[in-house]
Amino acid sequence: AQSVTQLDSQVPVFEEAPVELRCNYSSSVSVYLFWYVQYPNQGLQLLLKYLSGSTLVKGINGFEAEFNKSQTSFHLRKPSVHISDTAEYFCAVSDMDSNYQLIWGAGTKLIIKP
Amino acid sequence: GAVVSQHPSWVICKSGTSVKIECRSLDFQATTMFWYRQFPKQSLMLMATSNEGSKATYEQGVEKDKFLINHASLTLSTLTVTSAHPEDSSFYICSAPGPIFSSYEQYFGPGTRLTVT
Repeated sequence: AQSVTQLDSQVPVFEEAPVELRCNYSSSVSVYLFWYVQYPNQGLQLLLKYLSGSTLVKGINGFEAEFNKSQTSFHLRKPSVHISDTAEYFCAVSDMDSNYQLIWGAGTKLIIKP
Repeated sequence: GAVVSQHPSWVICKSGTSVKIECRSLDFQATTMFWYRQFPKQSLMLMATSNEGSKATYEQGVEKDKFLINHASLTLSTLTVTSAHPEDSSFYICSAPGPIFSSYEQYFGPGTRLTVT
């Protein structure tokens, strides 16, 4: 069965510093990969997705992620964070057979320190 | 495009009463919708898959008689929490696959915060 692991439950980082949020998945078939962001008391917003093609995916708000098939990872990065990036970030996976169902990671809370 | 709305955004009800939450796809048709539950500081838990014109598919451990799902049209799915109890207090989120079939992307509603007193 598929699973998604976000190893870090919280990541504190200073404002304007770079950040990487880690995501690893397990799957034996081709997968689609997503990062969603949830701001406090709000719903989910898609940051970026990987469906096929270039392994480096750029999303909104300056975020990007790299799909690494050999390491089954899809880490999220931003070169310089802002206080407004404070949120919960979720990695999710779906595959061709899942009928659009998403398998979710536990989430990583990004804490920006001034 | 591809906007999903939920109503209400928050609701407080007394224990023993029922609450209905609506999920609408505003500018596209959704034959499938998903209902999630999110506990504080936790990830989303899929409760059920709502299918237009047929019965919902519930995940293991989710009581279908307690969480009634009706997907009566291509743009509306409803979740009714029956005989609500304080332990049902949670953040409920719906989603629908986008109108572009090959995108495998889900669009999420803003969520409904239910508090049962």
